[in-house]
Amino acid sequence: QITLKESGPTLVNPTQTLTLTCTFSGFSLSTSGVGVGWIRQPPGKALEWLALIYWDDDKRYSPSLKSRVTITKDTSKNQVVVTLTNMDPVDTATYYCAHRGSGVLYFDYWGQGTLVTVSS
Amino acid sequence: QSVLTQPPSVSGAPGQRVTISCTGSSSNIGAGYDVHWYQQIPGTAPKLLIYGNINRPSGVPDRFSGSKSGTSASLAITGLQAEDEADYYCQSYDSKLNAYVFGGGAKLTVL
Repeated sequence: QITLKESGPTLVNPTQTLTLTCTFSGFSLSTSGVGVGWIRQPPGKALEWLALIYWDDDKRYSPSLKSRVTITKDTSKNQVVVTLTNMDPVDTATYYCAHRGSGVLYFDYWGQGTLVTVSS
Repeated sequence: QSVLTQPPSVSGAPGQRVTISCTGSSSNIGAGYDVHWYQQIPGTAPKLLIYGNINRPSGVPDRFSGSKSGTSASLAITGLQAEDEADYYCQSYDSKLNAYVFGGGAKLTVL
């Protein structure tokens, strides 16, 4: 059974760096083809893909956020971490991590999400 | 502005059939990349509903079906039920952006 759960601050100040952790179980990020991605959703708005890390440590970033986002993994801890620099109120959103299966281009398991508010 | 275009809202009465369109371009759906659909009930995480254009994960009722043609795709829901009221998102991959892309979402209201 695959599960993922996001953790991190619920409130950050403008200009600060956001760090979120995705802790997962039921699969290994050392399995060929597997990936974990981050997707966010501002209140009342659509889903937006941020980043994805593959089993081989290859990384992909959204072009619109590439200068601000970094994704890393700790395979031994079953964790994936995303950081987003220079936070702005428009970055207020629910942030989800999700599992991407081997060789596919969709997300089949999602975490419950964590709401991050950017405000002073 | 989402890369994939969906109608903001659709509605139907219980028992009816509704369709939700998803329009892309030559760098995503038209390039041959599959379309996937997610259902999001308010306050919950998205759930994979259709993958690879037409396939249903285990547990998804066969009332839900997907199709793809050219630069567009569609999600059809037959025998509409009150529990189907949710937001529906299409998703694909864009080779020009090298990014996973989503539609703007369609809110389904069961009248």
